[in-house]
Amino acid sequence: AQTVTQSQPEMSVQEAETVTLSCTYDTSESNYYLFWYKQPPSRQMILVIRQEAYKQQNATENRFSVNFQKAAKSFSLKISDSQLGDTAMYFCVSWAGSARQLTFGSGTQLTVLP
Amino acid sequence: ETGVTQTPRHLVMGMTNKKSLKCEQHLGHNAMYWYKQSAKKPLELMFVYSLEERVENNSVPSRFSPECPNSSHLFLHLHTLQPEDSALYLCASSQDSGGHYTQYFGPGTRLTVL
Repeated sequence: AQTVTQSQPEMSVQEAETVTLSCTYDTSESNYYLFWYKQPPSRQMILVIRQEAYKQQNATENRFSVNFQKAAKSFSLKISDSQLGDTAMYFCVSWAGSARQLTFGSGTQLTVLP
Repeated sequence: ETGVTQTPRHLVMGMTNKKSLKCEQHLGHNAMYWYKQSAKKPLELMFVYSLEERVENNSVPSRFSPECPNSSHLFLHLHTLQPEDSALYLCASSQDSGGHYTQYFGPGTRLTVL
């Protein structure tokens, strides 16, 4: 079984600043993937970034980067130069090789303040 | 049309009605999913289809009936629903091979059962 824990229900950041969202996970699988999805007020679930567990290099996508600490089972998301459009619920998600099921964390509501 | 589309975007129905939700993916994927997102609850996986065959059914009540006529289309037939079935229903698709397990979501159908 997999579990994903997001301990920050809500966060806020000033526009143009940097913010880090925390996530820890647990899995017994050796082959797994980790994702961050965001869900803005439109409710569309949008992929932000993806990390393959077998890769040591942290994934980056423009202003978004992750800090993947495999031994600690930690997977945080850093958003640089925050923009108003980044306001959304952010979900940390895992996928393990033996199942097709994504396991979602409870989410962190991020508000970017002007 | 690109990505994953869902129709209708909003649906209000009585408990005795029969309606269907439609999902279409334009990504060439071979797996499709139905999720339910209720307020204050984690995202719940309902059904998974891979190569048009149902491979996952997470104890969903029989008043929800999925149909996958081909790899691009997925339906969720609804009948005699209950008010607690009111939720956002999300469809997703993925390429279920070659390491590409990332799921892409549609915009969702907001369902209200009166």
